[in-house]
Amino acid sequence: GENVEQHPSTLSVQEGDSAVIKCTYSDSASNYFPWYKQELGKGPQLIIDIRSNVGEKKDQRIAVTLNKTAKHFSLHITETQPEDSAVYFCAASSSGGGADGLTFGKGTHLIIQP
Amino acid sequence: KAGVTQTPRYLIKTRGQQVTLSCSPISGHRSVSWYQQTPGQGLQFLFEYFSETQRNKGNFPGRFSGRQFSNSRSEMNVSTLELGDSALYLCASTAGGPNTGELFFGEGSRLTVL
Repeated sequence: GENVEQHPSTLSVQEGDSAVIKCTYSDSASNYFPWYKQELGKGPQLIIDIRSNVGEKKDQRIAVTLNKTAKHFSLHITETQPEDSAVYFCAASSSGGGADGLTFGKGTHLIIQP
Repeated sequence: KAGVTQTPRYLIKTRGQQVTLSCSPISGHRSVSWYQQTPGQGLQFLFEYFSETQRNKGNFPGRFSGRQFSNSRSEMNVSTLELGDSALYLCASTAGGPNTGELFFGEGSRLTVL
């Protein structure tokens, strides 16, 4: 089955700096890569996703890049703000979406230092 | 539109007991999936239901079971509780068919086994 590795497990950055979280996947059939953000006491929430026919996608301060050859994808957050502090999960799926075949990484705890 | 609702939010059980957790998906959503979240292990897939049928099951022992009702509400049951079952149990629903769409998570049921 799919295996998703996520690094780092904890990331501390100064407010205003950029943060990068990296994930690798093992199944070359994976074609959908969502990122979820989990704030304290809440369930994860989708913040951005990318499909395998796209190399990069941006949404304001958040961007995701995908390298299919190397089987890795990354989340980039620019101009970090205190509200970006949360746990971020990457995931990979070979079914194009939904829960079927969706495998999550173990998460990155992002800490924004004031 | 109400989000995914999970009950109870917190519960404490002792080893050997059983527990039932409930999940009400977003109105109109027909696919419900369950995840176990523990520190360091991320989100581990338990099972997914669509139209009252279990579509997929994760790598968990038979003590973990679930079901879905005709109104799409779902329950999961854990029998003969063990200390290692202490976790946050998250439910998610999707808007479209089983292989499409963003997962919408509830806030979870935090189970403590003493």
